[in-house]
Amino acid sequence: KAGVTQTPRYLIKTRGQQVTLSCSPISGHRSVSWYQQTPGQGLQFLFEYFSETQRNKGNFPGRFSGRQFSNSRSEMNVSTLELGDSALYLCASSLRLASPGELFFGEGSRLTVL
Amino acid sequence: AQRVTQPEKLLSVFKGAPVELKCNYSYSGSPELFWYVQYSRQRLQLLLRHISRESIKGFTADLNKGETSFHLKKPFAQEEDSAMYYCALSWGQAGTALIFGKGTTLSVSS
Repeated sequence: KAGVTQTPRYLIKTRGQQVTLSCSPISGHRSVSWYQQTPGQGLQFLFEYFSETQRNKGNFPGRFSGRQFSNSRSEMNVSTLELGDSALYLCASSLRLASPGELFFGEGSRLTVL
Repeated sequence: AQRVTQPEKLLSVFKGAPVELKCNYSYSGSPELFWYVQYSRQRLQLLLRHISRESIKGFTADLNKGETSFHLKKPFAQEEDSAMYYCALSWGQAGTALIFGKGTTLSVSS
């Protein structure tokens, strides 16, 4: 069974630009969540999507948004990038109600904002 | 507010020594707690969850609601246990959003 796949793996942007990251969950998983990982703040929850609806949201500004498609694939978007948005963005999928809290993580997309 | 605290950034032990990775939490409801592990060059993965009361790779963790702790223990450390360990608390609708501690690096040397 293929794991969670995230693209792109690495990207460099400049301040003010926007970025879109993509995540393909494990086949059969309908829940996709996103986390931001930085050396200072560690792993922080961004949001979770289930059946194309945002179910939970972390404490991030509105510049961070996401969506989920009918095939469970998800994208997250960050607009008006700031230097502090440089981070590893991790996507995770789960069976949700069957195994709450059991997340399967991707390798992440490393964003550098210059 | 919900919070997970792992007081040690780094824990260094010798092979065969006991290991205890500390985790304290703050949560107003009934907590669901987990330990995740990330080995070198591998993805973050679930190690164990408190509701299962299981032992994985020799590790156990007991939820102590009185002390609001969920420490991870192993009686005899192995070199392959060297990794970053994260304690996490679930919250939100369906309990699928996790609050992570900042992690503890466990280094086991021979």
